[in-house]
Amino acid sequence: DGGITQSPKYLFRKEGQNVTLSCEQNLNHDAMYWYRQDPGQGLRLIYYSQIVNDFQKGDIAEGYSVSREKKESFPLTVTSAQKNPTAFYLCASSEVLGGYTFGSGTRLTVV
Amino acid sequence: KQEVTQIPAALSVPEGENLVLNCSFTDSAIYNLQWFRQDPGKGLTSLLLIQSSQREQTSGRLNASLDKSSGRSTLYIAASQPGDSATYLCAVSSGNTPLVFGKGTRLSVIA
Repeated sequence: DGGITQSPKYLFRKEGQNVTLSCEQNLNHDAMYWYRQDPGQGLRLIYYSQIVNDFQKGDIAEGYSVSREKKESFPLTVTSAQKNPTAFYLCASSEVLGGYTFGSGTRLTVV
Repeated sequence: KQEVTQIPAALSVPEGENLVLNCSFTDSAIYNLQWFRQDPGKGLTSLLLIQSSQREQTSGRLNASLDKSSGRSTLYIAASQPGDSATYLCAVSSGNTPLVFGKGTRLSVIA
């Protein structure tokens, strides 16, 4: 079945540590996205990529980094510069100008 | 900048009732509008996608309408069931820009 796989489901980060969230899709979609969800805030865009080897910052990119070396993969790194990383992270993909398909999310907690 | 508002923020109805969820957006120059469902702690499930040239889309007991000129969409749920309890999210895309989300409506259907 085609879809988006996010891993891990739960992730714990220590102060000053970088962590990487995985997102893989087998839908052959060109575009991929990372959103952050906090209680009462809705979804906010972190980064997006419409083609391999190219990506753009979203509304809250500070403290995050991404890469898009393969069409199927769009990993998100939460760096130590992100001061409040505890949140639910959602990855999505789409055909350009098409409907979005979301993964099941990664819950990141600072310990 | 596009802003999406969903009213009400929360709604509780008895089983069997028909209900309407509202979504409004500030910039009517949209390419498409998508309705999602989110269960607690889970990713987003796409319900309906309406292209800007369409007035409505239907899937089972769900019907979504779009009025671009007034910047509004409604999601109609017929004969509600306890399994419909979830948060419903509306999101709009303006051309090449990623989806912008509302904060959602939390629906509870009481048996």
